[in-house]
Formats: sequence, C-alpha cells, structure tokens
Amino acid sequence: EAQVTQNPRYLITVTGKKLTVTCSQNMNHEYMSWYRQDPGLGLRQIYYSMNVEVTDKGDVPEGYKVSRKEKRNFPLILESPSPNQTSLYFCASRGPGQGLEKLFFGSGTQLSVL
Amino acid sequence: AQSVTQLGSHVSVSEGALVLLRCNYSSSVPPYLFWYVQYPNQGLQLLLKYTSAATLVKGINGFEAEFKKSETSFHLTKPSAHMSDAAEYFCAVSLPRGEKLTFGTGTRLTIIP
Repeated sequence: EAQVTQNPRYLITVTGKKLTVTCSQNMNHEYMSWYRQDPGLGLRQIYYSMNVEVTDKGDVPEGYKVSRKEKRNFPLILESPSPNQTSLYFCASRGPGQGLEKLFFGSGTQLSVL
Repeated sequence: AQSVTQLGSHVSVSEGALVLLRCNYSSSVPPYLFWYVQYPNQGLQLLLKYTSAATLVKGINGFEAEFKKSETSFHLTKPSAHMSDAAEYFCAVSLPRGEKLTFGTGTRLTIIP
C-alpha cells in the first residue's frame, strides 16, 4: 500500500531536548516536504526536498533542520525545541513529474513542547 | 506571491442542506487552486483541483467548485450535506505547474442532525 509514514504519532517533550520526527515513503518519490498546522493559520511549509541531498527552506524554517540522505526518508529535527513549536506536523511526498495534486500526506505528528 | 482567504473558520449546516465554503485567492498570474479535506486524526486528502481547464470542477464525495476569475473566488459546494462531511476543509493555491502550495486557514464544517 502506498503511504507516507510518520513517527511518532504523538510526542510530548520539554524545552531544549533535541528530537527527531521521522517520515518515510514507499513510493520512490523524489519530492518530500514538511508542514506545520496551527489553529487559525492553516498549514505552512517548513522545508522541502526535491531529491536526495537537495533541501530548501519553506515559509517557516526557523528552529528546524532536515536531511535527505536517502530517497525514502526525510526526518525533521528540532535541535532545541521551544513551546512555540507545539503544533501538528505533516510530511508529504509526490513523484517526479507529478503535480501538487498528487501530494500524499502522512497522518500527522502532534508535538507538545512544555 | 499567491494567497488564499477562507471566510468563516467554522460553518454549521443541517443534514441535507447546501454546503458552501468560501475561498478567495490572490495571484499575479492565473493560479492553480485546490480543496483538501481533513478528517479527525488524519492527513489531508485532495477533494478537487482547478488547473485552468473547465471552470466548474467536480471532485470526490459529491463536492464541486467553480473558478470565477472576475470574483477571484473558488468556493466549494455540495447540494446536500451528510453527517460524514463533518471535517476541516482547506483551500490552497499554487503557480501553474509550481512547486509550492499555499494553504488557507481552514474551515471546520459541522453537520447538524
């Protein structure tokens, strides 16, 4: 089954404790992206990757890092989380030559930073 | 830069009534427009898209939207609401064949039995 898998589904942490949210897709997609969803703000893009070793900032990259060492994985790293990073995070991917309507979304990671 | 504005963060309709969710866009060039639905505890699912072909676009689950350039609108409608339509709906915009989606702030639809 084609899917984008995020882990963990829920995460509670404390300020300053480094964490990683994993994202994996089994569709051999080149494009992957991270979004955060906040009430009243909709979804905002954090980072995206057009292919292995190619990443770029989205609209709200501050406080986040990403890496793309292999095509299937695109982890989101919070080196020093802060309470304003409490949010619902989504990973998405799509294949080469496909339009944005072909974006596959993961089920989300609810992060709470205390 | 592209942007979308969704009017009404919460909309309630009775079961069987018309659903109308509003979306207005801003774009310097003719845009591509999308509607997504998000059910509780799930990711986003594409309902329909407009990519400069027919201005009336039909999507899944009986939803449709009409692109109106003169009004810069792309409102989502469904003739008869079902309980299963209760969800959050997002309008989004991109450049033609662009790489980035810009989302609206979302509208939570509640269906009253």
